Amino acid sequence: EDQVTQSPEALRLQEGESSSLNCSYTVSGLRGLFWYRQDPGKGPEFLFTLYSAGEEKEKERLKATLTKKESFLHITAPKPEDSATYLCAVQATGSARQLTFGSGTQLTVLP
Amino acid sequence: DADVTQTPRNRITKTGKRIMLECSQTKGHDRMYWYRQDPGLGLRLIYYSFDVKDINKGEISDGYSVSRQAQAKFSLSLESAIPNQTALYFCATRETGANTEAFFGQGTRLTVV
Repeated sequence: EDQVTQSPEALRLQEGESSSLNCSYTVSGLRGLFWYRQDPGKGPEFLFTLYSAGEEKEKERLKATLTKKESFLHITAPKPEDSATYLCAVQATGSARQLTFGSGTQLTVLP
Repeated sequence: DADVTQTPRNRITKTGKRIMLECSQTKGHDRMYWYRQDPGLGLRLIYYSFDVKDINKGEISDGYSVSRQAQAKFSLSLESAIPNQTALYFCATRETGANTEAFFGQGTRLTVV
């Protein structure tokens, strides 16, 4: 069974204080790992897809990296508008094209 | 207009009532999904459909049914609502392909009293 675990559950940062969110996964074979951002009262919005270990992708203050067992979402010099819940999901090979989601990390960036 | 539209956005219903949540999309995607989100549990898949004639159960389909009326429309029904079905429900679409991203609606907050 595919499993995705995100940590920490919640993270509070001061504006400008860089940190990382973790997504560890267990799948029979990874086809892709996805990061989403979810604002309160809204649906998740796509951020990145990573396909293989060693891959990195960046978008503004966010950088996602992937190893064979986990992914990190690095947030550099965050701003209050980066406050959201960040979700990680995996698609496994042979998974009938479904995504398995983690429970998310709720990030709060204080001014 | 949003690419994926869910109606209603909020609903309070009584135990035992039948309720339908509707989803429509303008993305032109064949794949559509229904998820529920509960605090601490993340998004869990209820049902998914790869085309109008293809409906599949997800990990938590008990107590739910779906209807794919057209490529653009996918409805979720609770035949007899119970309080533990109180949750945030999301519809999503994906383009056919190996690693396509999912596009989510704004969600329906359902409360069963």
